[in-house]
Amino acid sequence: GENVEQHPSTLSVQEGDSAVIKCTYSDSASNYFPWYKQELGKGPQLIIDIRSNVGEKKDQRIAVTLNKTAKHFSLHITETQPEDSAVYFCAASSPVAGGTSYGKLTFGQGTILTVHP
Amino acid sequence: NAGVTQTPKFRVLKTGQSMTLLCAQDMNHEYMYWYRQDPGMGLRLIHYSVGEGTTAKGEVPDGYNVSRLKKQNFLLGLESAAPSQTSVYFCASSYPISGAAALDEQYFGPGTRLTVT
Repeated sequence: GENVEQHPSTLSVQEGDSAVIKCTYSDSASNYFPWYKQELGKGPQLIIDIRSNVGEKKDQRIAVTLNKTAKHFSLHITETQPEDSAVYFCAASSPVAGGTSYGKLTFGQGTILTVHP
Repeated sequence: NAGVTQTPKFRVLKTGQSMTLLCAQDMNHEYMYWYRQDPGMGLRLIHYSVGEGTTAKGEVPDGYNVSRLKKQNFLLGLESAAPSQTSVYFCASSYPISGAAALDEQYFGPGTRLTVT
C-alpha cells in the first residue's frame, strides 16, 4: 500500500517568513495530492491540491509543487501570518473519477507550524 | 448546510464497554470515511463506504464495525473498547453525485475525542 512521509514534524518561523513542508510517497500509481490544514479542536480542511499532470499550483500565498519522478511534493507558504499557525497534513490518493481507490487518502504524519508575531 | 457533523464530541469509556459514533452529512455525498488521529501518526483510515448499504475495511479496521443504512449517515461501533482505541475520531465525506463541487475533496467533521480507561 501507499506510504507517505512528511517532514519536518515541527516548524517555527517569524511572521513574514516563508515556510516549506515536504512529503514523499511510495506508490507510483498515486496521482492526487491534497494538503489539509487542521486548527486546534477542529477537523482538517483542504487548502490546496495538485494532480500528477501538473507540476505546480498556486493560490495566493500558498503553492504546491510536485515531482512525480522523485515521488515528492511540497507545500510553500509565503509571507506567513500568525493565523497560519496550525497542523498541516499532506496526503496521497488516486482521483475518484475513473479510478478504483474511492478517494481513500493516505496521510503524512503532520507538521505543527508556529508563526511568531 | 451543516456539512459533516459528529456526535458525541467527547466520551469516556471503561475497557469492555461498547459505543456507537454517529456521522451525518447533508451534502449528498456518495463516499464516507472514518479515520482515527493519534499523535505523530497522522490520520489513518478505519473503514469507508462507497454508497448506502456498502462498507469496506481501511488500514486499521480491527476492533471496529460500521454501518451505512442511510446515505447521509455513517456509524462507527466499538463492541468492546480497549485502551488502544483512545484517540480522536474523524468522519469525512466526498464525491457529490451532482453539482459543480470537486469530486475528490473530503469534508471532515469536528471529531470525537474518545478515552478508554
